[in-house]
Amino acid sequence: EAGVTQFPSHSVIEKGQTVTLRCDPISGHDNLYWYRRVMGKEIKFLLHFVKESKQDESGMPNNRFLAERTGGTYSTLKVQPAELEDSGVYFCASSRGLASDTQYFGPGTRLTVL
Amino acid sequence: AQKITQTQPGMFVQEKEAVTLDCTYDTSDQSYGLFWYKQPSSGEMIFLIYQGSYDEQNATEGRYSLNFQKARKSANLVISASQLGDSAMYFCAMRIPNSGYSTLTFGKGTMLLVSP
Repeated sequence: EAGVTQFPSHSVIEKGQTVTLRCDPISGHDNLYWYRRVMGKEIKFLLHFVKESKQDESGMPNNRFLAERTGGTYSTLKVQPAELEDSGVYFCASSRGLASDTQYFGPGTRLTVL
Repeated sequence: AQKITQTQPGMFVQEKEAVTLDCTYDTSDQSYGLFWYKQPSSGEMIFLIYQGSYDEQNATEGRYSLNFQKARKSANLVISASQLGDSAMYFCAMRIPNSGYSTLTFGKGTMLLVSP
């Protein structure tokens, strides 16, 4: 069974540009989460999809961030326009369906905004 | 609000020795889950072990065990017989089930270095 995959692994952009991160969850996992780790800080929750619906987006920092999960399969996280403070590692995780299910993480996308 | 505290920014251990990574948590909920993840230099987050708040036995997974002390709100990870490949960042995390859907709250992590 393939794990959670994320693309790209690294992205370097200039302030003001747009970047789109992609996450492919484990097949059959209804729950998809986005997290972010800014250098030296804790990993912070951004949002949670159940299938194609946003269950919880309380962690989204501002309206420059837009997440979608069309069809309930893969998800994209767009940052537009990117700011310096958006730099960090963006993790995606997925779980099968219950609150007790373990979340399995992808390798992350390292975003650097110059 | 939930909080996870990992007080050890870095730990050093010699190969084949055991090491304990500390984790304390703060929550007023009675039902919660505690997790440990490993992040090697390659970047991926690897799930290691899970402990439910109502589990009476400490969780074990191979060389990993979780020393769960509920009254002290601690969930320390014990790695027995350390190996060089155990060198990585280790994160403790907590989940509070909420209407069946829940997210993880993480600590800042502990960097473990295993020397030959």
